[in-house]
Amino acid sequence: EPEVTQTPSHQVTQMGQEVILRCVPISNHLYFYWYRQILGQKVEFLVSFYNNEISEKSEIFDDQFSVERPDGSNFTLKIRSTKLEDSAMYFCASIGRPNEKLFFGSGTQLSVL
Amino acid sequence: DQQVKQNSPSLSVQEGRISILNCDYTNSMFDYFLWYKKYPAEGPTFLISISSIKDKNEDGRFTVFLNKSAKHLSLHIVPSQPGDSAVYFCAASKGTYKYIFGTGTRLKVLA
Repeated sequence: EPEVTQTPSHQVTQMGQEVILRCVPISNHLYFYWYRQILGQKVEFLVSFYNNEISEKSEIFDDQFSVERPDGSNFTLKIRSTKLEDSAMYFCASIGRPNEKLFFGSGTQLSVL
Repeated sequence: DQQVKQNSPSLSVQEGRISILNCDYTNSMFDYFLWYKKYPAEGPTFLISISSIKDKNEDGRFTVFLNKSAKHLSLHIVPSQPGDSAVYFCAASKGTYKYIFGTGTRLKVLA
């Protein structure tokens, strides 16, 4: 089965530093998402992206966050100035067309010290 | 955003018996519902889905039931196996731009 690939699997950073989390969605997919899960809590929606623009974002996705699809294959999440509370597992997901199952990557564990 | 709720944080079931996981939602505009299974430090894995035009969908040991009037869906696993032990999330969407997940239910299947 096709896979969503995320790198790195773990990222440790100092508070206030910028991080970029990378994702390669499934190649023919058109809708892209970032979710996060703080340890033991729910899987939270951050942002969706379609046709090279943000479709919807949550209140978590403030000005410190941005997403980009710099080429035909990568989809990135940037956190400009990390805070302790940004520590979480970040998941990228994609779908090919409406009302399909979300395919998730294996996640990037972000630890902000 | 509590539009999707799983009120049981955990559930223990004997191997071979039925596991029933429940999920409630508040937004009647949701038109697509999914169940995911998640292990620690891994991404959610899709199990089964159902469109709002149906009330039941079955795939092997997994069956999802949708009760639109009650805004309730459930996942039945029969028979339960120890390998089913994981956290299960329900999710709902309207359109494609946002899938909202519940809080999860930790299922433990006892051998």
